[in-house]
Amino acid sequence: SAVISQKPSRDICQRGTSLTIQCQVDSQVTMMFWYRQQPGQSLTLIATANQGSEATYESGFVIDKFPISRPNLTFSTLTVSNLSPEDSSIYLCSVGDRVPGANVLTFGAGSRLTVL
Amino acid sequence: AQSVTQPDIHITVSEGASLELRCNYSYGATPYLFWYVQSPGQGLQLLLKYFSGDTLVQGIKGFEAEFKRSQSSFNLRKPSVHWSDAAEYFCAVATGGGSQGNLIFGKGTKLSVKP
Repeated sequence: SAVISQKPSRDICQRGTSLTIQCQVDSQVTMMFWYRQQPGQSLTLIATANQGSEATYESGFVIDKFPISRPNLTFSTLTVSNLSPEDSSIYLCSVGDRVPGANVLTFGAGSRLTVL
Repeated sequence: AQSVTQPDIHITVSEGASLELRCNYSYGATPYLFWYVQSPGQGLQLLLKYFSGDTLVQGIKGFEAEFKRSQSSFNLRKPSVHWSDAAEYFCAVATGGGSQGNLIFGKGTKLSVKP
């Protein structure tokens, strides 16, 4: 399966600023996804990062708050904008091995964000 | 709506003891089911998956899970727990249609292992 590198692994940010998280994959992948894991909660899909087009956002997530780039088949970034303490979470990049009906997802180690 | 319930937030077992982590799902069609493990500071690692066929699936690290459609369950088991199994375990169901990346995760069960 693919190997995923995420940067930064953790960061502490001030309210109102933005943080950009990078996701690098060691092979070309069609499907890349961004998940959020809030403290004590399960993972929630933020969006699908589409190469060459805008990301597809899940209900409750908007592009202005979570802009995503996908310049090629091995790299994506997620920006969390206008940070508030509620954005303190672990953000995980994942890629899919496509099988009919479902993806088997491989995850990066995550980026732990703390907003003060 | 699809959902996954892991009724146990935290479980402690002694090293060498058997383990069962519970998972119940709600999904109208044939589910695709997964168990992932997350060690501290690590990403999620796939333990095993069920798509179809034999309802008892074997995974890595000595884990297995059994799909029971009548009970809407996909419980994870291990006959003898090792200290290195201490981690958080997540059950997930794939919704299939729409976004292919949309796994619905349970809230996780944290496993502690006593020496």
